[in-house]
Amino acid sequence: DTGVSQDPRHKITKRGQNVTFRCDPISEHNRLYWYRQTLGQGPEFLTYFQNEAQLEKSRLLSDRFSAERPKGSFSTLEIQRTEQGDSAMYLCASGGRTQETQYFGPGTRLLVL
Amino acid sequence: EDKVVQSPLSLVVHEGDTVTLNCSYEVTNFRSLLWYKQEKKAPTFLFMLTSSGIEKKSGRLSSILDKKELFSILNITATQTGDSAVYLCAGNAGGTSYGKLTFGQGTILTVHP
Repeated sequence: DTGVSQDPRHKITKRGQNVTFRCDPISEHNRLYWYRQTLGQGPEFLTYFQNEAQLEKSRLLSDRFSAERPKGSFSTLEIQRTEQGDSAMYLCASGGRTQETQYFGPGTRLLVL
Repeated sequence: EDKVVQSPLSLVVHEGDTVTLNCSYEVTNFRSLLWYKQEKKAPTFLFMLTSSGIEKKSGRLSSILDKKELFSILNITATQTGDSAVYLCAGNAGGTSYGKLTFGQGTILTVHP
């Protein structure tokens, strides 16, 4: 257990529905990252927060995706109007002020039917 | 666009064998190279390498970085069945993308008893 938690761990939804995932980073970490991983691939960067500021978003993050970290602690990732191609593992990672190492949470596995 | 390539993509060995996993990278504003182990769940951190030629070691695992040739290797000696996993390497960017990890596809290692 790295100290990063994610909820839910699994989500099955129907195409067109909205879903929201939550990530709680290690408490003293100010950096928070979201990645997406599909079968047989390494994780792909989606977006990055330093405290409450969203500093970078990948081109992978379409308009249907939005992420927030309102108080600089936990973060949420919302996917609107889900598509089957959104099925993946969504990973959250956190890093400290002086540490470049990122520690990953257990992930949320999304299946869109 | 940043790119990380791992080889081989898969490897099957017997317990006691030594394996070498390769990782080459092209990362803008490169800061460090990270290795992770993934066993059907989120990646767990193994090593972070920032300087060329300095070996990092943890038990039977060791890793080294060559910043001139832009590659890293991960060695595992006296492999055990518990080493079976996907090994991921990731390039860590600096500048405005500080901490953004670009992952390779991973090497699937299978260790037979």
